[in-house]
Parts: sequence; C-alpha cells; structure tokens
Amino acid sequence: DAKTTQPPSMDCAEGRAANLPCNHSTISGNEYVYWYRQIHSQGPQYIIHGLKNNETNEMASLIITEDRKSSTLILPHATLRDTAVYYCIRGGGATDSWGKFQFGAGTQVVVTP
Amino acid sequence: GAVVSQHPSWVICKSGTSVKIECRSLDFQATTMFWYRQFPKQSLMLMATSNEGSKATYEQGVEKDKFLINHASLTLSTLTVTSAHPEDSSFYICSARAQGPRNQPQHFGDGTRLSIL
Repeated sequence: DAKTTQPPSMDCAEGRAANLPCNHSTISGNEYVYWYRQIHSQGPQYIIHGLKNNETNEMASLIITEDRKSSTLILPHATLRDTAVYYCIRGGGATDSWGKFQFGAGTQVVVTP
Repeated sequence: GAVVSQHPSWVICKSGTSVKIECRSLDFQATTMFWYRQFPKQSLMLMATSNEGSKATYEQGVEKDKFLINHASLTLSTLTVTSAHPEDSSFYICSARAQGPRNQPQHFGDGTRLSIL
C-alpha cells in the first residue's frame, strides 16, 4: 500500500514549469513527504522532502497544503533531462522507526522540445 | 555528498548459482540500509530492511533463506541471492539512510541487473 496517489503520466514543454501533484490524504502528523525520480535503468534520485513548510532547493520546490493532504513538486524550468518517473512517498514518522518507503506507481513525466 | 555505490551493476549467471550484491555508502555512515526489487515497467518493491549489526527484517512474502542480507558495518550491506533461478531475474536496488533523525532521506545505488539463465 503506497499510501499516495499520483497521476500516471504528464507531459511538459521544455523550459516551462512542471507541476506534479500528489495526494496523501491519510498522512499522519509526523510523516514527511519525499520526492524522488528514476531515470530509466538507474536508481531513484532524491529530489526534496518536507513536513509542512514549503521547501526549495537547487532542483525543485515542494508545496505542501496547509492540511497536509496533498503536495505539489515544482520543477521551475523543465529540461529534456527531467524526463523520468517521479515518485511521491510518505514516511519517516514515529511509528516507523526505520524510515521505510513504500513506492507507488509514480508519474511518468515526459519533457518535449 | 550522500553517494551510494552498488556492485556489480550487471550480472548474468547460470541457474542454481548464488550471487552476491554489495551496497556501500561512500561518504556517510548508514545505520539502516534497504533492499528493493524492480521488475520491468513496475515500481520498486521493498524486500528488506537491514540495520548494522542486527538481523534484517523482511517484507511479507520475501523468503529470508533465499535472499540473505548481511549488514556488517555502517558502510556496507550485502544481498546474496541463493540458488538463483530465472524467476529471480530482476533489477535489485539498495538504499542507505544516514545516522540521525529517521526523517532523513534514503539515498539509492544505481542498481544491479541480475539475469539468470
């Protein structure tokens, strides 16, 4: 049970912002939201994570709704190299002492010229 | 920073042999490491969680005698697929979480593609 819901696919134009939604309506109060991406035949790459505040790093921004039931990953200027499967994962809460992840199906993002 | 190295990246072997895959955290100490399996066009499936110096915890449906995990140090975990058969062919991926708060992200290796003939 991945416990998050994402659209199966999304197309994005090169140079435009890509907004990737994720629903995690049953998230518990101390669970974090993590985003990873996987380019074909490679291991997942960490992008960003957050608890309740919006976060930004050199790769992306993470916007978490006030009720924490959903979030959006923003890639500000998509490039062809951003084509990948993006995974939204919840975890790291107090009930899980090891920080296990359960991956869902993710969103296949295709960036086109 | 936070580099995880996995070796080998690709292995082909005959049915019935055992295969060992190594997972190393190169620039940090990992209290906890995880092993996943991924079949073509599917998502990652968690197989087991290993903590340094203790026995691994396997997910439901994963045979612990089939997939032996050893986490002997804070930078190395190994997965041995014993008496491998064609149905064990898959993409095996490890990850490591650094010491500290449990909310720290996992960092993944680049995977090992295992093909059993």
